[in-house]
Amino acid sequence: QVQLQESGPRLVKPSETLSLTCTVSGGAFNSYYWSWLRQSAGKGLEYIGHIDKNGSPNYSPSLKSRVTMSVDTSKNQFYLKLSSVTAADTAVYYCASDISSAWWFYWGQGTLITVSS
Amino acid sequence: DIALTQSPGILSLSPGERATLSCRASQSITGNYLAWYRQKPGQAPGLLIYAASRRAAGIPDRFSGSGSGTDFTLTISRLEPEDFVVYYCQQGGTFGQGTKVEIK
Repeated sequence: QVQLQESGPRLVKPSETLSLTCTVSGGAFNSYYWSWLRQSAGKGLEYIGHIDKNGSPNYSPSLKSRVTMSVDTSKNQFYLKLSSVTAADTAVYYCASDISSAWWFYWGQGTLITVSS
Repeated sequence: DIALTQSPGILSLSPGERATLSCRASQSITGNYLAWYRQKPGQAPGLLIYAASRRAAGIPDRFSGSGSGTDFTLTISRLEPEDFVVYYCQQGGTFGQGTKVEIK
């Protein structure tokens, strides 16, 4: 049973970089896809990207220029960095996972990130 | 990119009734790579159906999915109180805008 928990600063200033960590328990990193998604009132549910079973990142085309994802298997964690944030990046951010790259069975509880000065 | 349109936006029904939710894709979805989620207030979405018609682990059999190509349906045979929440369809990196099932 995979369990996921997001952590990171809840308030980020405009133009700065949002950084989140997802801590994983119960899942082998080379057996799952590790994803980030977000949900805002204005844009609904939005896929940000994922790290595949080989550790390679794949990003949404709409966010690709600002997103970096990575994994540290020794810490059972994977990471999201989103640069040059604006108020439009205010959302609940989720980490999620599945053995398939096509959907997500396992989700973190989500963390509300607010972009504001 | 494929766009997903869910209808209706709001579905007003009573407990015990049957709910039929629609998800239409802007182009044909190959391999039936379509999923449905249920989102309760304050929680992350929960996977209900994957591959258009397969129930996820732990999902009761009152939930069923059907469809192919561009038209997909989520059916809840008998609504329970906890089913009056929001439902999303998803294909790849795209989600529908959601259908809210509310108590009539």
